[in-house]
Amino acid sequence: DGGITQSPKYLFRKEGQNVTLSCEQNLNHDAMYWYRQDPGQGLRLIYYSQIVNDFQKGDIAEGYSVSREKKESFPLTVTSAQKNPTAFYLCASSIPGGPQETQYFGPGTRLLVL
Amino acid sequence: ELKVEQNPLFLSMQEGKNYTIYCNYSTTSDRLYWYRQDPGKSLESLFVLLSNGAVKQEGRLMASLDTKARLSTLHITAAVHDLSATYFCAVGGTSYGKLTFGQGTILTVHP
Repeated sequence: DGGITQSPKYLFRKEGQNVTLSCEQNLNHDAMYWYRQDPGQGLRLIYYSQIVNDFQKGDIAEGYSVSREKKESFPLTVTSAQKNPTAFYLCASSIPGGPQETQYFGPGTRLLVL
Repeated sequence: ELKVEQNPLFLSMQEGKNYTIYCNYSTTSDRLYWYRQDPGKSLESLFVLLSNGAVKQEGRLMASLDTKARLSTLHITAAVHDLSATYFCAVGGTSYGKLTFGQGTILTVHP
């Protein structure tokens, strides 16, 4: 089955710790995205990548880093510089320039600070 | 900067009633999306609207787009409990693939 997987489902971070969220897709999509969702709010774009080895900052990139070494994978690292990381993190992918450019979302990772 | 506003943010409906959710956006765009999110879950794509006057329907939901007014609507007909969820609109910007989301409308359908 084609789709997007995210792991882990829940992640706990200690003060000063960097943590990495995994996102993998087998849809053969070129573009991948990371969003953050806070309770009762919409999604905000952290980083996006339209092609391997290239990525751009979104609206709230401070305190986060990404890499895109493979088409299928777009991991997000939440660094210690992100002072308020508790949120629901969603990864998405799409075919840029495709007929509809619909973004398809993974199941999400919920990050909590200890 | 593209801004997207939905209203209402909270909607409590009786089963069988009709209602409309509005999505206004601030700058020109030719791509508008509607998503559904169940509590604690991810987003599910409902509709993609790509041109002025576009109308799409699926079951009890119908979405439309007026690019001149920068307005999209999601109309709910004869609501049922299964439609209870949070509905988001998202607008495509000038950067390829980049979407800006509205705050979401929490819909609760009561018997």
